[in-house]
Amino acid sequence: DQQVKQNSPSLSVQEGRISILNCDYTNSMFDYFLWYKKYPAEGPTFLISISSIKDKNEDGRFTVFLNKSAKHLSLHIVPSQPGDSAVYFCAASGGNQFYFGTGTSLTVIP
Amino acid sequence: DAMVIQNPRYQVTQFGKPVTLSCSQTLNHNVMYWYQQKSSQAPKLLFHYYDKDFNNEADTPDNFQSRRPNTSFCFLDIRSPGLGDAAMYLCATSRGSGGAYNEQFFGPGTRLTVL
Repeated sequence: DQQVKQNSPSLSVQEGRISILNCDYTNSMFDYFLWYKKYPAEGPTFLISISSIKDKNEDGRFTVFLNKSAKHLSLHIVPSQPGDSAVYFCAASGGNQFYFGTGTSLTVIP
Repeated sequence: DAMVIQNPRYQVTQFGKPVTLSCSQTLNHNVMYWYQQKSSQAPKLLFHYYDKDFNNEADTPDNFQSRRPNTSFCFLDIRSPGLGDAAMYLCATSRGSGGAYNEQFFGPGTRLTVL
């Protein structure tokens, strides 16, 4: 059973516009959430994270929002750049558990 | 630079021929993980070590074994690779578990091809 879901396998956005990537989870015991970015032929690299005690965390162009009641988090990239084109994985953790979503492939069109 | 290194980047083996993938880290992290990732799927955790404590995921096939001889190195042994084991294998490390300690740092991966 998939505990972390990314329902959009792909997303295309015009350069300069906002990219919004979504993620849903099922386990209310998860207390830490992360976003990773992955280029082809490379391992995932950490992008941004958020603790369950917060509802927003911002780092430059990247902002993660957490809605615990809806068990939903989202990653906003503003403004989107062509170099942001990659696969984005959300991940959720709690204790020793760590689960990845299936990823969303973002394409930023110049 | 502190990092997670995986060798080789690409590995080709024959059906049934044992293969070993290696991972090393200079981060001095306590936890090391092995993941299997197939196309368009989430990385699937195979096992992890918290220091020397080995933790096997319930659905990891017996065909997969792991060794962690010291803090810096971890190996993935596939005893009799099948065609279904062709995948990207990712090694990751973290400082510990819980909260921000769960932030995992990944190596570049080893792409395994089984002929």
